[in-house]
Amino acid sequence: SQQGEEDPQALSIQEGENATMNCSYKTSINNLQWYRQNSGRGLVHLILIRSNEREKHSGRLRVTLDTSKKSSSLLITASRAADTASYFCATVAGSYQLTFGKGTKLSVIP
Amino acid sequence: DAMVIQNPRYQVTQFGKPVTLSCSQTLNHNVMYWYQQKSSQAPKLLFHYYDKDFNNEADTPDNFQSRRPNTSFCFLDIRSPGLGDAAMYLCATSDTTSGRLGETQYFGPGTRLLVL
Repeated sequence: SQQGEEDPQALSIQEGENATMNCSYKTSINNLQWYRQNSGRGLVHLILIRSNEREKHSGRLRVTLDTSKKSSSLLITASRAADTASYFCATVAGSYQLTFGKGTKLSVIP
Repeated sequence: DAMVIQNPRYQVTQFGKPVTLSCSQTLNHNVMYWYQQKSSQAPKLLFHYYDKDFNNEADTPDNFQSRRPNTSFCFLDIRSPGLGDAAMYLCATSDTTSGRLGETQYFGPGTRLLVL
């Protein structure tokens, strides 16, 4: 069953702007991950944040996690046209299996 | 480069005609997964192999089977494809050996299945 729910479902921004996507989940987790999927392709792991972490950075990506609200956000700063993709959050509640949310489709307009 | 490879990238089959999708990996990971992803939806886990142990998801139809003859290869067999089985099928791997938690998954490019 799906655990995460992304918000918004679709987001369109101009190149150079920041993009923020949110993810909510229902049960306790060990970690939360964000993946990117270019159209018609496989998923690529972006970043993992553990349940005892509140914020993590990787390049232009910033992820926050609020376990009390069971929510996470992914911020992409200074977006580029190449960032156009679908972004999925995925949670790990037990050992190693992922449960994906429905995804946010990001369009970055040059 | 170490990677997950899926063949073919596109597969067309006829209603009811058995079809096999292939996945291979050069990462030497011990866990391999098969996901089904329909248009604009999240990937849905069908089953996974933990080493040689097969783990089926409770809601995976019996029509879907899998084989893992060795560490590197894993196959998805659809015995009698229906129109509703048209989707992208994604193979992924993770590594739980040597103390690794296997939390991050590495995906292949997917095989898009069309059922006529």
